[in-house]
Amino acid sequence: EAGVAQSPRYKIIEKRQSVAFWCNPISGHATLYWYQQILGQGPKLLIQFQNNGVVDDSQLPKDRFSAERLKGVDSTLKIQPAKLEDSAVYLCASSSGIITDTQYFGPGTRLTVL
Amino acid sequence: GQNIDQPTEMTATEGAIVQINCTYQTSGFNGLFWYQQHAGEAPTFLSYNVLDGLEEKGRFSSFLSRSKGYSYLLLKELQMKDSASYLCAVLNDYKLSFGAGTTVTVRA
Repeated sequence: EAGVAQSPRYKIIEKRQSVAFWCNPISGHATLYWYQQILGQGPKLLIQFQNNGVVDDSQLPKDRFSAERLKGVDSTLKIQPAKLEDSAVYLCASSSGIITDTQYFGPGTRLTVL
Repeated sequence: GQNIDQPTEMTATEGAIVQINCTYQTSGFNGLFWYQQHAGEAPTFLSYNVLDGLEEKGRFSSFLSRSKGYSYLLLKELQMKDSASYLCAVLNDYKLSFGAGTTVTVRA
């Protein structure tokens, strides 16, 4: 079974530029999550989708971050414009949709904002 | 709010046992997860506890006491490949909140 796929793996941009990340969850997984992991910290949930609807985006900085999950499968996370403090690893995870089910993580995208 | 505490770093010798403690104060509780994360890689699932007691899975065991808001991950017969960060995460309703992680270094 294929795992969670993410691209790109690495991205370097200058502040005020835009960037987008892509995630393809495990086949059949209804729930998709985007996390931000700053160096030395645990992952922080940015947004959670159930199929193509948003369940929780309370910690998403909506003035600059946006995310969508069209057709309830792939998802994209966008930052526009980027700030220095956005430098982090952006992790995508998916689960079957049952609350207590394990979340499986993708390899992440390491973003560096200069 | 969620408050999840775990030690920052631990060092142990190959073949030894290490216990990583995690204490939590959360507004709700639907279970506790432990993940392993090697440097530069994604977190991988290790264990899930929802009832009090010990769950054993090979060299790794995890314990939970809901009344004390406490869990530990026990790593036995340490191997060099166990050098990684170990993340404690509490599930509250549908939301997983992570601790900062404990970096375990295994020395020969």
